[in-house]
Amino acid sequence: DGGITQSPKYLFRKEGQNVTLSCEQNLNHDAMYWYRQDPGQGLRLIYYSQIVNDFQKGDIAEGYSVSREKKESFPLTVTSAQKNPTAFYLCASSGRALMTQYFGPGTRLTVL
Amino acid sequence: AQSVTQPDIHITVSEGASLELRCNYSYGATPYLFWYVQSPGQGLQLLLKYFSGDTLVQGIKGFEAEFKRSQSSFNLRKPSVHWSDAAEYFCAVGTRGAGGTSYGKLTFGQGTILTVHP
Repeated sequence: DGGITQSPKYLFRKEGQNVTLSCEQNLNHDAMYWYRQDPGQGLRLIYYSQIVNDFQKGDIAEGYSVSREKKESFPLTVTSAQKNPTAFYLCASSGRALMTQYFGPGTRLTVL
Repeated sequence: AQSVTQPDIHITVSEGASLELRCNYSYGATPYLFWYVQSPGQGLQLLLKYFSGDTLVQGIKGFEAEFKRSQSSFNLRKPSVHWSDAAEYFCAVGTRGAGGTSYGKLTFGQGTILTVHP
């Protein structure tokens, strides 16, 4: 089945540690995105990538980093510089010339 | 810059009743409009989208939405709500990247939580 997978579903981290969230898609989509969701705030764009080896900052990129070495993969690293990292993180992708984004199941990150 | 407003944070309806969720957007050009649904702890599922053409669009699960340019609105409707429709609903407006590239930025509203009473 085609789709977007995110792992792990739940992630716990101690303050001061970096953590990497995985996102993989087998939809052959060009563009991939990372969003952060907090209660009552909708979704906010962290980073996006249109093609391999290229990515741009979204609205709330501070404290996050990404890479796009393969078309299928777009991992997100939450660094220790992110002051309030506890949130639900969603990955999405969209195809060539299409606006429609399809979402993965999400990863809930909790900082202890 | 574009923005989306969903005026109702929480709506409660009885099963079998009709439903309308409101969405207003702000964007200078012709918008690309979306409705997504999210169950607790899950990702977002696309319900329907409007790009151009007929202003009444049909989606999955019996939902429809009407684009009204004069009111800058894209309200979501369903004639008879089922208990399984209880979820959070997000409206989003999309803008295409520079040069018509595949990247399209979505700006989301804050969401409307739907509770369905039996």
